[in-house]
Amino acid sequence: GQNIDQPTEMTATEGAIVQINCTYQTSGFNGLFWYQQHAGEAPTFLSYNVLDGLEEKGRFSSFLSRSKGYSYLLLKELQMKDSASYLCAVLDSNYQLIWGAGTKLIIKP
Amino acid sequence: GAVVSQHPSWVICKSGTSVKIECRSLDFQATTMFWYRQFPKQSLMLMATSNEGSKATYEQGVEKDKFLINHASLTLSTLTVTSAHPEDSSFYICSARAPDRGYTEAFFGQGTRLTVV
Repeated sequence: GQNIDQPTEMTATEGAIVQINCTYQTSGFNGLFWYQQHAGEAPTFLSYNVLDGLEEKGRFSSFLSRSKGYSYLLLKELQMKDSASYLCAVLDSNYQLIWGAGTKLIIKP
Repeated sequence: GAVVSQHPSWVICKSGTSVKIECRSLDFQATTMFWYRQFPKQSLMLMATSNEGSKATYEQGVEKDKFLINHASLTLSTLTVTSAHPEDSSFYICSARAPDRGYTEAFFGQGTRLTVV
């Protein structure tokens, strides 16, 4: 079956750095997405990786290793507004998005 | 990015009534739209894939007679929750992709919070 694993919850301090990991086992691979979702709102797109390596976008970076079935989202200079759930999703061989359960990130002052 | 608009944002209805939720792609044509349901503190659960001009494809365990999906045009898909019950209370979100514009990411509507009383 298809499976995406990410930690349920993480806590970090304002101003610090946090890394949210995601491992996947899917039937085919056409890219991996990270989305941010604040409580009561729809997810918003953060990043897309289809090739191995690091993609940097401001305070957020996303890394992919296809051979290891592994990705991480790195958040730097954490702000209170970064408190949200972070969803990892993989586009499989049928171009269907397979979603992880999400990681709730709690930022403390 | 592409814009998806979902309406209404929230709705309260009485048990036994039906509720229609609209999902529109505003600046692109969406041949395929996706309907998700999300319960509190849980991830997105795909309910069905809506294809323009044809029947929707429902995920296992989703009652197609209860959750009616119509995708009559390239910019509009609707989800109707028929004979709603309190257990149908949830956050419903639609999404679409715009591959014809080079986007593989999913663009989400704002979501609809349904409360059945």
